[in-house]
Amino acid sequence: GQQLNQSPQSMFIQEGEDVSMNCTSSSIFNTWLWYKQDPGEGPVLLIALYKAGELTSNGRLTAQFGITRKDSFLNISASIPSDVGIYFCAGLNYGGSQGNLIFGKGTKLSVKP
Amino acid sequence: NAGVTQTPKFRVLKTGQSMTLLCAQDMNHEYMYWYRQDPGMGLRLIHYSVGEGTTAKGEVPDGYNVSRLKKQNFLLGLESAAPSQTSVYFCASSRRGDYGYTFGSGTRLTVV
Repeated sequence: GQQLNQSPQSMFIQEGEDVSMNCTSSSIFNTWLWYKQDPGEGPVLLIALYKAGELTSNGRLTAQFGITRKDSFLNISASIPSDVGIYFCAGLNYGGSQGNLIFGKGTKLSVKP
Repeated sequence: NAGVTQTPKFRVLKTGQSMTLLCAQDMNHEYMYWYRQDPGMGLRLIHYSVGEGTTAKGEVPDGYNVSRLKKQNFLLGLESAAPSQTSVYFCASSRRGDYGYTFGSGTRLTVV
């Protein structure tokens, strides 16, 4: 089946640093989403991207829909301790039904105060 | 506004036992989903429903059954639990055409 390759798997950073993570696929996607999961909770939607080349911000978070439609990037600026969690990318390919949202395996972020 | 509520939050089963996980949403969403989350595997779709009375298989449906008798509820059943079904189960819902799913807080299931 289709897979999303998310990297890095984990990151340990100092508070105040910027963070970058990405998601790639061998297939074209027409929708990219980024979720965050806090410990013991379900994922929460951060940003949704619907057009190739689209750049969208949500506070300190910025995500981009890659121009090739095969990748997406999430950046977090000036990290704070509450940014700790697992970040998931998710994608929907052309022709996919609503049930075919595919998730990456996640990037676990740890922030040292 | 409760969003998506999952019960129970934790459960321990013996191999071969059966159980039902309940998911309820109060947002009048048409679509509902069941995922399982395992370490290093991300979220994998078990079954989903695009409306009351309809269900469809996801990526890992074997060993599970589902029912959507009412729009607001989506039940996940394990007929004969196996240790491989030890996982955290998440329910989610969404409006038709909206890929920003709302997730519940999960059910941690251990099968011994």
